[in-house]
Amino acid sequence: DTVLTQSPALAVSPGERVSISCRASEGVNSYMHWYQQKPGQQPKLLIYKASNLASGVPARFSGSGSGTDFTLTIDPVEADDTATYFCQQSWNDPRTFGGGTKLELK
Amino acid sequence: QVQLKETGPGLVQPTQTLSITCTVSGFSLTSYYMQWVRQTPGKGLEWMGFIRSGGSTEYNSEFKSRLSISRDTSKNQVFLKMNSLKTEDTGVYYCARDWELDYWGQGVMVTVSS
Repeated sequence: DTVLTQSPALAVSPGERVSISCRASEGVNSYMHWYQQKPGQQPKLLIYKASNLASGVPARFSGSGSGTDFTLTIDPVEADDTATYFCQQSWNDPRTFGGGTKLELK
Repeated sequence: QVQLKETGPGLVQPTQTLSITCTVSGFSLTSYYMQWVRQTPGKGLEWMGFIRSGGSTEYNSEFKSRLSISRDTSKNQVFLKMNSLKTEDTGVYYCARDWELDYWGQGVMVTVSS
């Protein structure tokens, strides 16, 4: 299976820029998607196919990358962005998720 | 607007069968893939399988031998059935729409315990 590796946690101050990385153990083309999950809620799609902003998602969120290295960027970070962020690949079978990066605000 | 809602038992005994229904509104099941994803304490988010807009299915080999996904388009419902449950299957089960999982249900918490 394709393993997706994310840093466990990050802490940033409101107004700053943050980049959350996801590294795949094998190539996934551009079929990487990003989700935000707040405690007690379902995941919410932010970015699909590496760099496409999902409907209704603020332009503060952006995605980049291809192959094995991908990045979700939030600029500027707001207090409401406190959440866990997951990457997911849908190129290789089975589709897999990263372990999540918990974003905390200072 | 697009809505998905899972319903199912909160508690299931080991070795028994889990049945969850996902009822959707705001779109047609004949136009979108529908997927099942679970979130467990031990393995985090796991993709389980999907049913295509045309009705064919694909499953994660991790679950293939004990998982079944089906639907009733007249009732706007998708079904998950998984047998031979173990305590490690305890977690939240979600249905989600389309290839990118653009909409998710609220999830249903399932506890496998005697």
